[in-house]
Amino acid sequence: DTGVSQNPRHKITKRGQNVTFRCDPISEHNRLYWYRQTLGQGPEFLTYFQNEAQLEKSRLLSDRFSAERPKGSFSTLEIQRTEQGDSAMYLCASSAGQGSNEKLFFGSGTQLSVL
Amino acid sequence: ELKVEQNPLFLSMQEGKNYTIYCNYSTTSDRLYWYRQDPGKSLESLFVLLSNGAVKQEGRLMASLDTKARLSTLHITAAVHDLSATYFCAVVINNNDMRFGAGTRLTVKP
Repeated sequence: DTGVSQNPRHKITKRGQNVTFRCDPISEHNRLYWYRQTLGQGPEFLTYFQNEAQLEKSRLLSDRFSAERPKGSFSTLEIQRTEQGDSAMYLCASSAGQGSNEKLFFGSGTQLSVL
Repeated sequence: ELKVEQNPLFLSMQEGKNYTIYCNYSTTSDRLYWYRQDPGKSLESLFVLLSNGAVKQEGRLMASLDTKARLSTLHITAAVHDLSATYFCAVVINNNDMRFGAGTRLTVKP
């Protein structure tokens, strides 16, 4: 197992287009998280899945954003009608959910640039 | 609303020197994390601190937590160039929502 995998690594798109990112968590990790990070800032929580259930969504996640984890394994994050303000690094993380000692493992991220 | 504040935001230090990074947070939490991020890379978990008075050490880094003061520190001992990176603290609220500080960009000079 090579860790959390995200693709694509980079995505350049024009304003108004839809984009979709994929995250493959570490095998058997039942928790999956999406974060967004802009330059010079810490990651911001977007949403969280336990298995296939999306249990929490940040108010940062507008209606243009949707995330799925259909079989409780990989997850996709789709942004519709992209705006320049969506440009950021989108990070995925997974964990085994072992109680209070839970450790998150982050992927390398997808860098989105909206022109 | 939870605020997580780190200071300093930028730190330039000489090799061999000691320094401390501070992380203050504004609400009760039962978990605090420290992460390291190298430029263009993802975050690497360094420490998980779970209780008041918790102290963890790995190599030249030592993290501590004071839940009463809502303060965590990351102490660097005898810094080396390889420690140059951005260090984030993160506080967990509502079980799964992890809030990050803005990060401390550390540069260790020879």
